[in-house]
Amino acid sequence: KNEVEQSPQNLTAQEGEFITINCSYSVGISALHWLQQHPGGGIVSLFMLSSGKKKHGRLIATINIQEKHSSLHITASHPRDSAVYICAVSDRGSTLGRLYFGRGTQLTVWP
Amino acid sequence: NAGVTQTPKFQVLKTGQSMTLQCAQDMNHNSMYWYRQDPGMGLRLIYYSASEGTTDKGEVPNGYNVSRLNKREFSLRLESAAPSQTSVYFCASSWGSGANVLTFGAGSRLTVL
Repeated sequence: KNEVEQSPQNLTAQEGEFITINCSYSVGISALHWLQQHPGGGIVSLFMLSSGKKKHGRLIATINIQEKHSSLHITASHPRDSAVYICAVSDRGSTLGRLYFGRGTQLTVWP
Repeated sequence: NAGVTQTPKFQVLKTGQSMTLQCAQDMNHNSMYWYRQDPGMGLRLIYYSASEGTTDKGEVPNGYNVSRLNKREFSLRLESAAPSQTSVYFCASSWGSGANVLTFGAGSRLTVL
């Protein structure tokens, strides 16, 4: 049983396209994280949110607590956005806010 | 640069050998974590430490031990490596629980033959 499901698993886009990656979760959460992992590289935190919407440059993250769903949008995508995007949720029922991770969405943006 | 430093980046072991992965953070974070990442699976928690002097098992602790040496350092030890422990290991830290922003190390790729 996966507490966090991401879709799609793989996504290919042309430079300039608008990208959406979805994350659904089944546990009550205290926070949701969006992470980025480049090939051969480490993992970087993009957003942490518990309600509403956050924006950083061309990246926008939204969350709907009632529907247990979050989306990560990339506007005007660029080849440097090619990476694995990972959704993780902090379990509100866990004493230490245990994190559950999705399996990631591999994004490839072609010039 | 401030952050989480992991060593080594790459290691090849033979079955039965032991090794220690080192992790240090300079952000004065209380919580530190060790995760493993395997193809087709999400990150899985091996051990975590909520504060200096405390450690707790995560989702997949078998075959591993940890030490929170001080607030900065959290090491992961494989006493007798097995091929099933071939993975990429990530150390991470945060101010408090998972409801705080995580900072990850660059990862350590371990192969057990």
